[in-house]
Amino acid sequence: NAGVTQTPKFRILKIGQSMTLQCTQDMNHNYMYWYRQDPGMGLKLIYYSVGAGITDKGEVPNGYNVSRSTTEDFPLRLELAAPSQTSVYFCASSKQVLTNTEAFFGQGTRLTVV
Amino acid sequence: DQQVKQNSPSLSVQEGRISILNCDYTNSMFDYFLWYKKYPAEGPTFLISISSIKDKNEDGRFTVFLNKSAKHLSLHIVPSQPGDSAVYFCAANTGTASKLTFGTGTRLQVTL
Repeated sequence: NAGVTQTPKFRILKIGQSMTLQCTQDMNHNYMYWYRQDPGMGLKLIYYSVGAGITDKGEVPNGYNVSRSTTEDFPLRLELAAPSQTSVYFCASSKQVLTNTEAFFGQGTRLTVV
Repeated sequence: DQQVKQNSPSLSVQEGRISILNCDYTNSMFDYFLWYKKYPAEGPTFLISISSIKDKNEDGRFTVFLNKSAKHLSLHIVPSQPGDSAVYFCAANTGTASKLTFGTGTRLQVTL
């Protein structure tokens, strides 16, 4: 089973460039999330979606955009990359609200902005 | 404002002994708590959870204890094994929320 797949695994961007981090899941989960993890810090929620066509801001949404046109895909867009966006990005999905239901995470995308 | 805190960045335990990882929270609205485990270059994986209506949940070698009055939870691993070496994240949410608040993680090293 593929689970949650993120591409690319690594990327170096120059300041001001844009890119899209791809995330797809094959578990038919309604809920999807984007987190970033900075060194020595916990995961911070960027955006999340409770279903196709519905997205909402998390804790640190500035500088990012998302869309959810299908159940499977939840891409994260960086329009004008800044050094502060250097981080490891994790996409996750869950079947329902995150109570005793686990979230499944992708392997992460390590992004460096120089 | 760190609502979920893991004050020990690292912990070293001998194989076979008990590992105790601690987590404190400040938001009294949290009513579900989860532990995730993360190996290098991998995404976090779910380990165990507990609802605020319980004070203990057990799954094999892993037990989570919740003390609501102290706003404190802990994860016990008995016996610890070398494969348990990883970063452990505590996370919490409210029952109606669709998002988790994570702690900063504790790196556990189980030595031979």
